Amino acid sequence: NAGVMQNPRHLVRRRGQEARLRCSPMKGHSHVYWYRQLPEEGLKFMVYLQKENIIDESGMPKERFSAEFPKEGPSILRIQQVVRGDSAAYFCASSARTALNQPQHFGDGTRLSIL
Amino acid sequence: TQLLEQSPQFLSIQEGENLTVYCNSSSVFSSLQWYRQEPGEGPVLLVTVVTGGEVKKLKRLTFQFGDARKDSSLHITAAQPGDTGLYLCAGVSNTGKLIFGQGTTLQVKP
Repeated sequence: NAGVMQNPRHLVRRRGQEARLRCSPMKGHSHVYWYRQLPEEGLKFMVYLQKENIIDESGMPKERFSAEFPKEGPSILRIQQVVRGDSAAYFCASSARTALNQPQHFGDGTRLSIL
Repeated sequence: TQLLEQSPQFLSIQEGENLTVYCNSSSVFSSLQWYRQEPGEGPVLLVTVVTGGEVKKLKRLTFQFGDARKDSSLHITAAQPGDTGLYLCAGVSNTGKLIFGQGTTLQVKP
């Protein structure tokens, strides 16, 4: 399966711990988007990255959240000192280039639960 | 800030009925996409509409983009239980990020 791969699929953390979510884009895709989804709601944009660059982080909370997409390896969404309100499904999408109508392909998400 | 209002939020109908989901914004989008999402999975793209007034058909699903490119609708004819799921509209912003509506949870009863 050459689709977008996210891991882990489920992640449980206690308040104050760190959560690391990984996303491997589709082969040949160099653009990655992260979205967050609360139960029964639509997805909210968080951050848009290209290899080694953050293009748009307008949806990222100002504190505790960071994202990277290194030259080699998957994109990482990192949440420090997690709180209960961080519980959500986090989705990654990738696309081949920036063209506005270029489709984004979504992974199946990481469900983050904070105890 | 670009926002998309999607309605209705929940819809429960009998098999064979028709339904329409609406997606409205005060902003113009370069294009608009419709997704379907199953529980435990990521959204899957159904269609992209680009031109104002455009109509696209996908079997029993008809998608329309408003003339001013601010609104869209999804019409399902003769709904089947297999159509049950979460339907999401998303506007494509000028940076490429997707602005999603709140979603419509559709339940089609046999």
